[in-house]
Amino acid sequence: GIQVEQSPPDLILQEGANSTLRCNFSDSVNNLQWFHQNPWGQLINLFYIPSGTKQNGRLSATTVATERYSLLYISSSQTTDSGVYFCAVERRGAQKLVFGQGTRLTINP
Amino acid sequence: NAGVTQTPKFQVLKTGQSMTLQCAQDMNHEYMSWYRQDPGMGLRLIHYSVGAGITDQGEVPNGYNVSRSTTEDFPLRLLSAAPSQTSVYFCASTARGSYGYTFGSGTRLTVV
Repeated sequence: GIQVEQSPPDLILQEGANSTLRCNFSDSVNNLQWFHQNPWGQLINLFYIPSGTKQNGRLSATTVATERYSLLYISSSQTTDSGVYFCAVERRGAQKLVFGQGTRLTINP
Repeated sequence: NAGVTQTPKFQVLKTGQSMTLQCAQDMNHEYMSWYRQDPGMGLRLIHYSVGAGITDQGEVPNGYNVSRSTTEDFPLRLLSAAPSQTSVYFCASTARGSYGYTFGSGTRLTVV
């Protein structure tokens, strides 16, 4: 099946710093989503981005489908950005998301 | 519009007990699925459904049953709970041609 690899596994930053999270996938996809799992365990949908670039406030994401990777950018980090960020992909016709192992982001005040 | 609703939020079972985790969505989504999340790991697919009356197995289906009698509901049954099923369970739904999956808030299950 399709493989999803996220890097780095852990990231510790000071408040105000910028960060880039990466997601590599092994096959063509028709769906790619970035999620934030907050400390209470809720999965928050950040972006639906099978290709191209999107921005939402301090967060932006870029997916280069031909090269099979996606990047999540977080600028001017806040402590509330802490949590685990997951990339999940869906192969064309599969109707099932495959998740990466996540990047645990810790923002210190 | 409530989205995806999961009940209960927390549950403790004894080994061998059975129970049903409920999942309901009010978005008229065709596709529904169940995932489990173990500590330090991403989510893994248990079972999924592409419409009422149609279900299929995911990556880790053993020990779980599902059925889909209506578009709105997709319950997950544990027939004989085992400690290895201690996990957080998420239900998700999406529509054909939509903009991604919507997840419920999860059920934290402990089997002792």
